[in-house]
Amino acid sequence: DVKVTQSSRYLVKRTGEKVFLECVQDMDHENMFWYRQDPGLGLRLIYFSYDVKMKEKGDIPEGYSVSREKKERFSLILESASTNQTSMYLCASSFEAGSYNEQFFGPGTRLTVL
Amino acid sequence: GDSVTQMEGPVTLSEEACLTINCTYTATGYPSLFWYVQYPGEGLQLLLKATKADDKGSNKGFEATYRKETTSFHLEKGSVQVSDSAVYFCALTPDTNTPLVFGKGTRLSVIA
Repeated sequence: DVKVTQSSRYLVKRTGEKVFLECVQDMDHENMFWYRQDPGLGLRLIYFSYDVKMKEKGDIPEGYSVSREKKERFSLILESASTNQTSMYLCASSFEAGSYNEQFFGPGTRLTVL
Repeated sequence: GDSVTQMEGPVTLSEEACLTINCTYTATGYPSLFWYVQYPGEGLQLLLKATKADDKGSNKGFEATYRKETTSFHLEKGSVQVSDSAVYFCALTPDTNTPLVFGKGTRLSVIA
């Protein structure tokens, strides 16, 4: 079974804190993605990566950065958390370059910024 | 840019009722189309997909047909169950090197 795991299911942080969200996949997938999910807005792509040390901006990269030092791990970083970053964060991975291949999602991290 | 529009929810149905969730898209070229489902407390999982016009994707009793003439990919099921209660997302990718574009999701509640 494909497994995409995220470091926390729930996280509470304070405004201005640096926040790390970790995602690990065990299927040797090339591609990894970070989305945020908000009511009424659906899923929006923050960043994605097609290879180790490679990253591409998605639709809403402002206020976020990412790191992919190893193939199986893709981290999302909030340099200085703000209340408007309170959201559900979903990580996903897929096998080969190109999104014709199924994306596998983690269970999500619900982040609250106070 | 490419986009997906799906019917707003929530949709509430009785068990064994018929389901249709509308999805239309705007894209250049010939996108691939997907339906993902998110059960309560879980991440999304692929439900079905279609990669070219007139293809029909099907899984778990759900089906959707890629209609290029109407730029649509409506999700249908003949008889829903309580266990189908979830949020359903329509999505597309215009080519092999572009990430998925998702619709806003439609919440379905099925009551016994």
